[in-house]
Amino acid sequence: DGGITQSPKYLFRKEGQNVTLSCEQNLNHDAMYWYRQDPGQGLRLIYYSQIVNDFQKGDIAEGYSVSREKKESFPLTVTSAQKNPTAFYLCASSLLAEAFFGQGTRLTVV
Amino acid sequence: GIQVEQSPPDLILQEGANSTLRCNFSDSVNNLQWFHQNPWGQLINLFYIPSGTKQNGRLSATTVATERYSLLYISSSQTTDSGVYFCAGNYGGSQGNLIFGKGTKLSVKP
Repeated sequence: DGGITQSPKYLFRKEGQNVTLSCEQNLNHDAMYWYRQDPGQGLRLIYYSQIVNDFQKGDIAEGYSVSREKKESFPLTVTSAQKNPTAFYLCASSLLAEAFFGQGTRLTVV
Repeated sequence: GIQVEQSPPDLILQEGANSTLRCNFSDSVNNLQWFHQNPWGQLINLFYIPSGTKQNGRLSATTVATERYSLLYISSSQTTDSGVYFCAGNYGGSQGNLIFGKGTKLSVKP
């Protein structure tokens, strides 16, 4: 099936730990994105990448890092510098202008 | 920056009723999309509608880009329509870098 796969679905992180969220797509889309959603809020852009080996910061990039070594993959690392990482994280991809989303990863700091 | 405002923030309907959700944007946006976020958090694409009108079953959408708004119509609502509806658009040359509204939370009662 074509689509965007995020893993894991749920993730628990201890204070001070880095964690990496996976996002893979087999849609042959050039662009990929990471968004964060807090309860009762819309989505906010963390990072995006329009081609392999290139990415740009979004509105809330502090405390996060990404890589884009393959067209299909755009992992997000939540570092210990992110002060309030508990949130729902959504990955998206687009070929032209229409974006499609994965099922999300719910991250909780314990 | 660009702002996207959705109204109403909350809406409760009886099954079978019709409704209209509105999305206003503060500046010219491109590539407007409507999404439905289901109870599990996944964003489902409803419409990609930069301008004009589209229909898909009981749902239809209209975007009037020159007047900076878009409308989502839901007819004969069903309990499965419950969830949060988001509109989002991008601006300038950024593809897929979507600016989201805060959503309309719809509850359809049986």
